Amino acid sequence: DVKVTQSSRYLVKRTGEKVFLECVQDMDHENMFWYRQDPGLGLRLIYFSYDVKMKEKGDIPEGYSVSREKKERFSLILESASTNQTSMYLCASSLGGMNTEAFFGQGTRLTVV
Amino acid sequence: AQSVTQLGSHVSVSEGALVLLRCNYSSSVPPYLFWYVQYPNQGLQLLLKYTTGATLVKGINGFEAEFKKSETSFHLTKPSAHMSDAAEYFCAVSATDMRFGAGTRLTVKP
Repeated sequence: DVKVTQSSRYLVKRTGEKVFLECVQDMDHENMFWYRQDPGLGLRLIYFSYDVKMKEKGDIPEGYSVSREKKERFSLILESASTNQTSMYLCASSLGGMNTEAFFGQGTRLTVV
Repeated sequence: AQSVTQLGSHVSVSEGALVLLRCNYSSSVPPYLFWYVQYPNQGLQLLLKYTTGATLVKGINGFEAEFKKSETSFHLTKPSAHMSDAAEYFCAVSATDMRFGAGTRLTVKP
């Protein structure tokens, strides 16, 4: 089974802190994604990566950056956390190609106070 | 660019009744379409997917969906709802990346 592991289930951070959310997949997938999930808005794509050191902006990249130094790991960085970044963050990976499904981690619920 | 619209943020059915969750897509290229389910406090898992070929797609847990190009729709159905089907359901379309709808929360009444 594909496993996508997010480093934390719950995080509480202070406004202005730099926050790192880590995601690791164990199936040698090419693509990795970071989504933000908010009630009534579904999943919104923040960034995705189709190869090591490659990244593409999604719909809501402002206030976020990403890093993919190794194929299995994709990190989401909140440069200076703000209260409007309180949300559920979901990481996903897929094999590559448009017809392959995404496999999701359990999510990180981030609260910024 | 591609997108999906899910009609109805909340659907409530009785146990044993038909489940119908609606999804319409927009895509500039032939779409690849997916339905995912999310149970409370969990990530998303794949129910079914349409890539090419047969337009009626069968998935897990008795769900199926029909791709209708003329209507740009990919509605999800299940003939008889079970209490365990209560969850949030997301439709998604894939091109260079994967885009999701806003989700439909399904409630099943005893």
